[in-house]
Amino acid sequence: DIQMTQSPSSVSASVGDRVTITCRASQDISSWLAWYQQKPGKAPKLLIFLASSLQSGVPSRFSGSGSGTDFTLTISSLQPEDFATYYCQQPNSFPWTFGQGTQVEMK
Amino acid sequence: QVQLQESGPGLVKPSETLSLTCTVSGGSISSYYWSWIRQPPGKGLECIGYISYSGSSNYNPSLKSRVTMSVDTSKNQFSLKLTSVTAADTAVYYCAKMLRLGELSFLDVWGKGTTVTVSS
Repeated sequence: DIQMTQSPSSVSASVGDRVTITCRASQDISSWLAWYQQKPGKAPKLLIFLASSLQSGVPSRFSGSGSGTDFTLTISSLQPEDFATYYCQQPNSFPWTFGQGTQVEMK
Repeated sequence: QVQLQESGPGLVKPSETLSLTCTVSGGSISSYYWSWIRQPPGKGLECIGYISYSGSSNYNPSLKSRVTMSVDTSKNQFSLKLTSVTAADTAVYYCAKMLRLGELSFLDVWGKGTTVTVSS
């Protein structure tokens, strides 16, 4: 299975901050990566697919980049509703695998 | 738009079979592929497998010997069965709709999830 490793595991930030989360794949996955947001007690929500394509309805303050093995999710100006856990996922090699998650906490 | 709702027992005894159903509304089950994902308490997401509207399926090798998925197009539902459960199968179980782009599969619509506890 392809291993997905996220860093950091948690980040403390304030409203308005720029937040960057990193995801590393154990092998080259081209641009085949998704990012999900999960709030406590809720299902994950697809934010970005194909590494940088914004899912319909997702605010433009979210952006994704990267290819090969290294990817980033950036929130340009953190909003109160963005405090959540974020997961990356590789969608190509089955079984699909997820990173362990990065919790964005309020500073 | 498509909405999903999981249903099934919240408590299953060890060694028994976990059975869950996902009801699709707002769209036809025959138009998409469908998946099951689970999340143990306080942990990350694990792919269980997926099934097409025609019934072809693919299961995570780590669970393959215990998993069966099926589709009922007449009811717009798909189902998951997991046999010989243990405490390690305690999790929130999600059903999800797959957004397929060629060979790539993203999960663009999720159910709210249902908590299944394995305990005697």
